[in-house]
Amino acid sequence: EPEVTQTPSHQVTQMGQEVILRCVPISNHLYFYWYRQILGQKVEFLVSFYNNEISEKSEIFDDQFSVERPDGSNFTLKIRSTKLEDSAMYFCASNTGHSGNTIYFGEGSWLTVV
Amino acid sequence: GESVGLHLPTLSVQEGDNSIINCAYSNSASDYFIWYKQESGKGPQFIIDIRSNMDKRQGQRVTVLLNKTVKHLSLQIAATQPGDSAVYFCAEKEGSSGAGTALIFGKGTTLSVSS
Repeated sequence: EPEVTQTPSHQVTQMGQEVILRCVPISNHLYFYWYRQILGQKVEFLVSFYNNEISEKSEIFDDQFSVERPDGSNFTLKIRSTKLEDSAMYFCASNTGHSGNTIYFGEGSWLTVV
Repeated sequence: GESVGLHLPTLSVQEGDNSIINCAYSNSASDYFIWYKQESGKGPQFIIDIRSNMDKRQGQRVTVLLNKTVKHLSLQIAATQPGDSAVYFCAEKEGSSGAGTALIFGKGTTLSVSS
């Protein structure tokens, strides 16, 4: 069964450092998303991406965050200058955008900022 | 404020029992709802979805019920198994349910199944 894959599974970074989280969405999907989940809390929407541009973003997705589709398969989330409160599990997700609209999630990248 | 939430943070059942997990939502404009299962350290796994033009949908061992009058969603799991132990989230899609529209998640119910 096709799946969303994410790398790295876990990253530890110093506060103030830049981090890039990578995702390979399901191949025939057109919409891509990043969500995050702080430990023990609910999953929160960050951003959605379609046709090489952001289609929607939340208040969490401030100027420190950016997304990119550098090639035909990868979808990345960059955090420019990490803060302690950025420590969370980051999930990439994708869907076709057709009537099914089911959004499939990857296994997540656990980011620890120290 | 919370757009989607669950009534109980935890639910403990015996293996073989039926489980019912509830969710209340507040946005009457939401027209698409999904249940996800999340095991420890893993991503949300799609279980079943339902559109607002339906009030019931069945899958394998799972049934989702939607009551738009009281803005209530439930997930029923038949013959619950230890492998069903996880956190269950309901999620809604806001507004016009355009394909890229964000899912809004509730806080989750932890289901514990004892054998």
